[in-house]
Amino acid sequence: QLQLRESGPGLVKPSETLSLTCTVSGDSISSSSYYWAWIRQTPGKGLEWVASVYYSGGTYYNPSLKSRVTISSDTSMNQFSLNLTSVTAADTAVYYCAKYQVLLGGDYHYYYGLDVWGQGITVTVSS
Amino acid sequence: EIVMTQSPATLSVSPGERVTLSCRASQSVTDNLAWYQQKPGQSPRLLIHGASTRATGIPARFSGRGSGTEFTLTISRLQSEDFAVYYCQQYTSRPPGLTFGGGTKVVIK
Repeated sequence: QLQLRESGPGLVKPSETLSLTCTVSGDSISSSSYYWAWIRQTPGKGLEWVASVYYSGGTYYNPSLKSRVTISSDTSMNQFSLNLTSVTAADTAVYYCAKYQVLLGGDYHYYYGLDVWGQGITVTVSS
Repeated sequence: EIVMTQSPATLSVSPGERVTLSCRASQSVTDNLAWYQQKPGQSPRLLIHGASTRATGIPARFSGRGSGTEFTLTISRLQSEDFAVYYCQQYTSRPPGLTFGGGTKVVIK
């Protein structure tokens, strides 16, 4: 059974870099045609997609965060990670890692939804 | 960027009633639309993908309809465990990205 677990600091100072890791168990991060994603949730903005990494290494970013975000994967550790630079109080949120799959066929694609989620990690930006 | 708008923001319903939640996309997302349920302190749970296909283990009382820009999620007979917040979410491939609606909270009348 595929499981995801987020880890990282719960408190980050303003202007510093937020670094989170998602550990995948029950399947290999590189052996399946899955996307691995970070989603965050704040009371003010609700659920917000942050970034995704494809099993083959391709990366995709929310345009509103792209200048500050890096997503990467470590196949040897079966993990993927998020770095968010220059954080402010607006980056305070629950951060989830999740998995989804997209079936591609020429111009057609089918999205299977975010079907596995981690339990979430609360990150507060404060001095 | 595609904007997803859900209505209403809050729905007051009695157990056993039928409830329909709405989701509108600012441009066509074809059928790349998913619905999620979230209870307090929990991660979202996938209910529907492909606008109308129930995810594994989801009861038949949940059904989704729609295509393009207009979508609905219907719960045929609301049970006590269904009181939660429901989110719609779209996927686009060019460029790849995901966008969530603001959610509809279903509360006990």
